[in-house]
Amino acid sequence: DADVTQTPRNRITKTGKRIMLECSQTKGHDRMYWYRQDPGLGLQLIYYSFDVKDINKGEISDGYSVSRQAQAKFSLSLESAIPNQTALYFCATSVGGGQNTGELFFGEGSRLTVL
Amino acid sequence: AQKITQTQPGMFVQEKEAVTLDCTYDTSDQSYGLFWYKQPSSGEMIFLIYQGSYDEQNATEGRYSLNFQKARKSANLVISASQLGDSAMYFCAMRGRDTGGFKTIFGAGTRLFVKA
Repeated sequence: DADVTQTPRNRITKTGKRIMLECSQTKGHDRMYWYRQDPGLGLQLIYYSFDVKDINKGEISDGYSVSRQAQAKFSLSLESAIPNQTALYFCATSVGGGQNTGELFFGEGSRLTVL
Repeated sequence: AQKITQTQPGMFVQEKEAVTLDCTYDTSDQSYGLFWYKQPSSGEMIFLIYQGSYDEQNATEGRYSLNFQKARKSANLVISASQLGDSAMYFCAMRGRDTGGFKTIFGAGTRLFVKA
């Protein structure tokens, strides 16, 4: 089983619908992230969380919200999906602390299409 | 603000030859980390190599090496003896402190094509 699991892996929805992407991890990492990938733009940070009580906006947080339900779970919500939110979404984790490199461990991605 | 720039949208290399993928970065932080990740056509993100800003030696991992030139703020990835399986997207990334704390940002990526 994957250490970082994203559900659903693929989702097609309509404009205006509420969508939740879920991420769970068994790595025991305290830090979790949501990234969005669009062709030609690399990965852009949406939100990140360094522990259950810590949520931070990334580069492109407008139109998104997150919930850190537990150390192992970090969900991304699109309250009212729009077509330009069609993208590949990645959840990632990392270990905190000064001696760690901050390497990101990624889920397999969730491909979202908004019609 | 932090920024990562990859200026090569696509690169071709002949199998068994070496290739360099360019990456420049901008940060006012003294302590930061630089990463390269590989994304094959299957879509997963694979960590390749890491270089810390205080590391004096260039990082190496098997056929991958990171050519770190701190004064030029560049962190180029060198792949030696290219293989067909190296065909993929490659992303340069930097972890550093910005408003809101430490976070990792990515460049736009370079798509590498290895020719037989």
